[in-house]
Amino acid sequence: DVKVTQSSRYLVKRTGEKVFLECVQDMDHENMFWYRQDPGLGLRLIYFSYDVKMKEKGDIPEGYSVSREKKERFSLILESASTNQTSMYLCASATLGTGVRNEQFFGPGTRLTVL
Amino acid sequence: RKEVEQDPGPFNVPEGATVAFNCTYSNSASQSFFWYRQDCRKEPKLLMSVYSSGNEDGRFTAQLNRASQYISLLIRDSKLSDSATYLCVVKWVPRGSTLGRLYFGRGTQLTVWP
Repeated sequence: DVKVTQSSRYLVKRTGEKVFLECVQDMDHENMFWYRQDPGLGLRLIYFSYDVKMKEKGDIPEGYSVSREKKERFSLILESASTNQTSMYLCASATLGTGVRNEQFFGPGTRLTVL
Repeated sequence: RKEVEQDPGPFNVPEGATVAFNCTYSNSASQSFFWYRQDCRKEPKLLMSVYSSGNEDGRFTAQLNRASQYISLLIRDSKLSDSATYLCVVKWVPRGSTLGRLYFGRGTQLTVWP
């Protein structure tokens, strides 16, 4: 059974803290993604990675960075957390390829609250 | 303008009803189309891909109109377990990139009541 896991389900941090969100997949997928999901705004892509040590900016990369040192692990870093980064963060992975399906498998999400 | 637009609903229907969701997308070069389902407080999961000729999976029928850049999902004989948010998803290659990525609509909320 395919699996994407995220390090925490709930996280509370203070403004200005450095925050690490970890994501691990066991499907040997090349592509990994970080989204945030907010009411009324839907899923928005922050960063994605199509290979180890490779990354591309999504639609809202400001205030975030990422790290992909190993194929199975993709980390999202909030350099200095702010209250407007309070959100649900979802990690996903997918195979590389041009197939129609290219299903993205999501982790359970991390609900981050920044006080 | 958002790349993928959906009616947010909510749609509240009785069991057994037929309900249809619509979606439009902005990029005519879109490659692939999907419907994802997201249950309350859960992650999104693929419901079905959408093919040019239209396709059916049990009570669910998906249609694609490339000329109008329009996608639909029809649910027949609604069940209580169909209550969820349905996300319209489109794949294309963004400018400056070599790889396709998914663009998500904001979702349409469905509640099926007994």
